[in-house]
Amino acid sequence: NAGVTQTPKFQVLKTGQSMTLQCAQDMNHNSMYWYRQDPGMGLRLIYYSASEGTTDKGEVPNGYNVSRLNKREFSLRLESAAPSQTSVYFCASRDRGNMNTEAFFGQGTRLTVV
Amino acid sequence: DQQVKQNSPSLSVQEGRISILNCDYTNSMFDYFLWYKKYPAEGPTFLISISSIKDKNEDGRFTVFLNKSAKHLSLHIVPSQPGDSAVYFCAAIGFGNEKLTFGTGTRLTIIP
Repeated sequence: NAGVTQTPKFQVLKTGQSMTLQCAQDMNHNSMYWYRQDPGMGLRLIYYSASEGTTDKGEVPNGYNVSRLNKREFSLRLESAAPSQTSVYFCASRDRGNMNTEAFFGQGTRLTVV
Repeated sequence: DQQVKQNSPSLSVQEGRISILNCDYTNSMFDYFLWYKKYPAEGPTFLISISSIKDKNEDGRFTVFLNKSAKHLSLHIVPSQPGDSAVYFCAAIGFGNEKLTFGTGTRLTIIP
């Protein structure tokens, strides 16, 4: 059981380049999330998706787009990367059907924008 | 607007003693609260949770207390062990809303 899988694990981009971070879960969860972790800032929510076909903004959505391709996959796209987007990105999923359940996280993608 | 706050960025505790990590929240619509533990270069892992209908939940060495009137929760670890050294995040979610909000984290160091 793989849980939540993120690819790639590491990436270096030049300012202005674009890329997509991939996330897939095999737990049949309805809800999926993208967070970024920065020193002293904790885990900040970028976007989330409560179900296939729906997405909502979190605390820090600017500069990002997301796609809930199907129930398993939730991708995060940086159209024009900026140094401020250097961070560690985490994807998570949660079973929405059962109200009080935890979210499961992937191992993270460490992104550096130079 | 930080709706979930962890005001102590770091905490050092002697091995065998009690570790108490604190978390405050501002949104009265939150009704489910979680604690996560994070080691370097790994994703956060779930530790323990509590529903707003309870004021205490225990799981082995870990106990979470919820004070709804004060909008405050705390995680107690007894006894503290070296493997407990990690960053701890509290998180909250409201009924009917899938937005899961995290705090800024507290780095716990257990001193042998």
